[in-house]
Amino acid sequence: SQTIHQWPATLVQPVGSPLSLECTVEGTSNPNLYWYRQAAGRGLQLLFYSVGIGQISSEVPQNLSASRPQDRQFILSSKKLLLSDSGFYLCASRVDNYGYTFGSGTRLTVV
Amino acid sequence: QKEVEQNSGPLSVPEGAIASLNCTYSDRGSQSFFWYRQYSGKSPELIMSIYSNGDKEDGRFTAQLNKASQYVSLLIRDSQPSDSATYLCAVRRDSNYQLIWGAGTKLIIKP
Repeated sequence: SQTIHQWPATLVQPVGSPLSLECTVEGTSNPNLYWYRQAAGRGLQLLFYSVGIGQISSEVPQNLSASRPQDRQFILSSKKLLLSDSGFYLCASRVDNYGYTFGSGTRLTVV
Repeated sequence: QKEVEQNSGPLSVPEGAIASLNCTYSDRGSQSFFWYRQYSGKSPELIMSIYSNGDKEDGRFTAQLNKASQYVSLLIRDSQPSDSATYLCAVRRDSNYQLIWGAGTKLIIKP
């Protein structure tokens, strides 16, 4: 079975600072990978998804970007964080026809 | 109209009773449906998937699907305080296998 690693678990960053969140997947190959954000008390907002190396689709225009430099690595970045970027960031993986498996998430607070 | 709709709750159920969670969806062609449980501050975890009309049972959990009426439900029998969580309904879009998420129903089991 696949395992998704996300780090860090929590992050406090000042407004205007850069961001890099990493997600790696073990136990599978060629997964579809997703980045979600969840604001406090809200549902899941799909930010980016990737079906393969170098292939990124953006769902929401914003100051975030994503990259997939390796098959099982997915990175979420920002050059300058905004207060509105605060939230719970989740990486998810889909293999075959099953549902998604989620990483443990990163709680980002922009101050 | 949202693609996947859930009552946000909170739904309060006494311990030992049956908790009933409902979800409706708009895409009549949807074939795959998932229920996730999310504890506060944690990532979602898959608890049930259902693909055919009718009931699917797994321990204390029963998923029910009615494609004609476009709803899917989750029953939790003998509810326990540990079942207190937010339950997310997800419907798979078969064009690209992405999951479309409801906003979640917060369930509270009262001892």
